[in-house]
Amino acid sequence: GAVVSQHPSRVICKSGTSVKIECRSLDFQATTMFWYRQFPKQSLMLMATSNEGSKATYEQGVEKDKFLINHASLTLSTLTVTSAHPEDSSFYICSASDPQKPMNTEAFFGQGTRLTVV
Amino acid sequence: DAKTTQPPSMDCAEGRAANLPCNHSTISGNEYVYWYRQIHSQGPQYIIHGLKNNETNEMASLIITEDRKSSTLILPHATLRDTAVYYCIVRDYNQGGKLIFGQGTELSVKP
Repeated sequence: GAVVSQHPSRVICKSGTSVKIECRSLDFQATTMFWYRQFPKQSLMLMATSNEGSKATYEQGVEKDKFLINHASLTLSTLTVTSAHPEDSSFYICSASDPQKPMNTEAFFGQGTRLTVV
Repeated sequence: DAKTTQPPSMDCAEGRAANLPCNHSTISGNEYVYWYRQIHSQGPQYIIHGLKNNETNEMASLIITEDRKSSTLILPHATLRDTAVYYCIVRDYNQGGKLIFGQGTELSVKP
């Protein structure tokens, strides 16, 4: 079946640096991908919708200049956490659906990226 | 905001059926109910979805009430590996099909 893959699965970075997280659809072309963030003991919070070839759509309260999203190809979306701070430490997850299938089919999720900012 | 409400936690004995309820009283006519689960530190795993008819697959059964205002996910023979947080989601196709997660139900399957 369709698979969404994230890389890296874990990353530790120093405060003030930037970190890039990749999300790939492995056997389908995803025109739209979604990025989520999850803090410990909490649910997934939608951050933004990544659209291939156009600007991402951010949810209210999410800083677009801090969380840069690039969806330059049909199989790859990247999330860059810029000038990371310890409060950005979280579990970041992407998801995508196969646009060739009807809307009422499953969305696939990546395995997540654990970001720790020290 | 999420359109669903679920109990925060439930326990189930291993080998017994786990019945997880979900309320979605504001669901619209063409919106599907999806169920995902998340095991600690992993991405959500798809379980099942439905519109108005009951659905069954190799993982679970989904029972949707006639008025569609609530549903129940049934794991027929729960195992210890079914311990996870289960999310009931109403998918919004008007906004690109994004999934808005509620708080979910933390299911603990006990020996």
